[in-house]
Amino acid sequence: DAGVTQTPRHEVAEKGQTIILKCEPVSGHNDLFWYRQTKIQGLELLSYFRSKSLMEDGGAFKDRFKAEMLNSSFSTLKIQPTEPKDSAVYLCASSRTEVFFGKGTRLTVV
Amino acid sequence: AQSVTQPDARVTVSEGASLQLRCKYSYSGTPYLFWYVQYPRQGLQLLLKYYSGDPVVQGVNGFEAEFIKSNSSFHLRKASVHWSDSAVYFCAVRRTGNYKYVFGAGTRLKVIA
Repeated sequence: DAGVTQTPRHEVAEKGQTIILKCEPVSGHNDLFWYRQTKIQGLELLSYFRSKSLMEDGGAFKDRFKAEMLNSSFSTLKIQPTEPKDSAVYLCASSRTEVFFGKGTRLTVV
Repeated sequence: AQSVTQPDARVTVSEGASLQLRCKYSYSGTPYLFWYVQYPRQGLQLLLKYYSGDPVVQGVNGFEAEFIKSNSSFHLRKASVHWSDSAVYFCAVRRTGNYKYVFGAGTRLKVIA
């Protein structure tokens, strides 16, 4: 059973660029989450999908962050435009009864 | 609102020693409780979970945790740590019937020889 797959593992972007992070959840999982992880803030929920429907879009992150789930096996997180403060690890997770996490994408914005 | 407190940001123990990582939660009902571990450059992996029943739950790699409702605590324990246990450990809570997980800030465990 494949786990949650995230690509790329590392991304370097210049300020103002648009970047797209990708996630493939565990097959059969109905829930998909995007989190941002930083040392200072810890884990922050960006978006939550249930059966491909957006249930929560992260409040403060609405502005430049947009998550989409076009089918049950693929999700993207777009950040547009990027800012240096967006430098963090972005984790995707999926769940049926328990949450499984991907290895994350480390984003550096210069 | 739910919250999770892990009071120890860093813990250092000697290999072979016992371990306790503390977790306290704030929630009025009976929550679902979890411990996750994160190794360097990895995502979070589930160590153990508590839904109901026996308050002492066993997890992988010899870890266990005890749910003490009167104390709103869910401390993680291990009888004898190994150097490979060095990682960051997160406690999390989820309301029954709710998708939202609330994570603690994490405790960084360092096991020394």
